[in-house]
Amino acid sequence: SQKIEQNSEALNIQEGKTATLTCNYTNYSPAYLQWYRQDPGRGPVFLLLIRENEKEKRKERLKVTFDTTLKQSLFHITASQPADSATYLCALISNTGKLIFGQGTTLQVKP
Amino acid sequence: NAGVTQTPKFQVLKTGQSMTLQCAQDMNHEYMSWYRQDPGMGLRLIHYSVGAGITDQGEVPNGYNVSRSTTEDFPLRLLSAAPSQTSVYFCASRSTIDGYGYTFGSGTRLTVV
Repeated sequence: SQKIEQNSEALNIQEGKTATLTCNYTNYSPAYLQWYRQDPGRGPVFLLLIRENEKEKRKERLKVTFDTTLKQSLFHITASQPADSATYLCALISNTGKLIFGQGTTLQVKP
Repeated sequence: NAGVTQTPKFQVLKTGQSMTLQCAQDMNHEYMSWYRQDPGMGLRLIHYSVGAGITDQGEVPNGYNVSRSTTEDFPLRLLSAAPSQTSVYFCASRSTIDGYGYTFGSGTRLTVV
């Protein structure tokens, strides 16, 4: 069956360090993968999209990689700040064209 | 631009009652979707639409109906509410232009007692 897996355990890091979140998928061949941020009590907010023919995408302090051989995307936040604390969701288009989400990983950045 | 507007923000229903969750967007987006979010389950797709008059089922469609008579509106109907439908519901929309993600509404928190 098709699965998207993100680490369900919260990631705790110190301010200024780089946070790395992982998204693994099975039985998908997505044309692109997306990352969203969700704060408590709010809807997700779109951050970045990376296509299957792109190895890496950057936006300010964010960097996303996409390895279609490993079936994995990594999401990096460099020079992390307490304001980066949130839940981060990866999502990809299923074989039937639907956008499917992983469970999300909660990031806590401590000052 | 208001973006994606969901109403109501909170609702309590009794088992067996029906109701409609409203969703409207003012960005002329073709794609619209409904998700539910439960603790530990992430966002699960209920129904989606690729344009006016076209809808399709997502991962968890049972107990829900949708229609898309206009580009702007995509209501979600609960036919006979059950406690298992207690959840936070999100509506989202996106443009057909490649490279953009979904814009989400602020959610409806539904409790079925």
